Amino acid sequence: QKEVEQNSGPLSVPEGAIASLNCTYSDRGSQSFFWYRQYSGKSPELIMFIYSNGDKEDGRFTAQLNKASQYVSLLIRDSQPSDSATYLCAGHLYNQGGKLIFGQGTELSVKP
Amino acid sequence: DADVTQTPRNRITKTGKRIMLECSQTKGHDRMYWYRQDPGLGLRLIYYSFDVKDINKGEISDGYSVSRQAQAKFSLSLESAIPNQTALYFCATSDAGFSSGELFFGEGSRLTVL
Repeated sequence: QKEVEQNSGPLSVPEGAIASLNCTYSDRGSQSFFWYRQYSGKSPELIMFIYSNGDKEDGRFTAQLNKASQYVSLLIRDSQPSDSATYLCAGHLYNQGGKLIFGQGTELSVKP
Repeated sequence: DADVTQTPRNRITKTGKRIMLECSQTKGHDRMYWYRQDPGLGLRLIYYSFDVKDINKGEISDGYSVSRQAQAKFSLSLESAIPNQTALYFCATSDAGFSSGELFFGEGSRLTVL
């Protein structure tokens, strides 16, 4: 079992809808979580991070963390075709020297 | 110029050949990483280095070696390439401490082993 798991998708949503991307992790030593976006043929770029239980909002993006359930999610409100990309969840393993471990990524397609 | 530069960007080689992928950065970060990306498997950590004298194995280090020549340079070698090492390879850097989860990636090196 991978330490960070995501549904690979593809996830398809209509323009203007809420896209919900989910991630689970197995190492309770993970203290912070990062969401990266990767457009086709490009390198990943950080869009959000979260380290406290609850929600963190940044524009149309909301990250949610539930440490008891070992669950992280990313909500994208008012989805746009430009949001179509692969979204990578990553756990920061403080107990293992601070390395970042990625999930498989979820491909999101926003249809006009 | 890019902050994290990888060379070569594309390489086709044959089974058994030695290959080196190079990474240099101008961000002044101490931490550098090599990841490989395969369809459906996300990014998997090969090796990472937190300073010039520190080298650590990642999730999938077998068949790979690295060299940290300077703070700004981190090379990945495949001593004897095999076809299942065909993948997209990313070098990344980060600051230390809490912000070390924010990685800055190079543009990737696509390697094909025939």
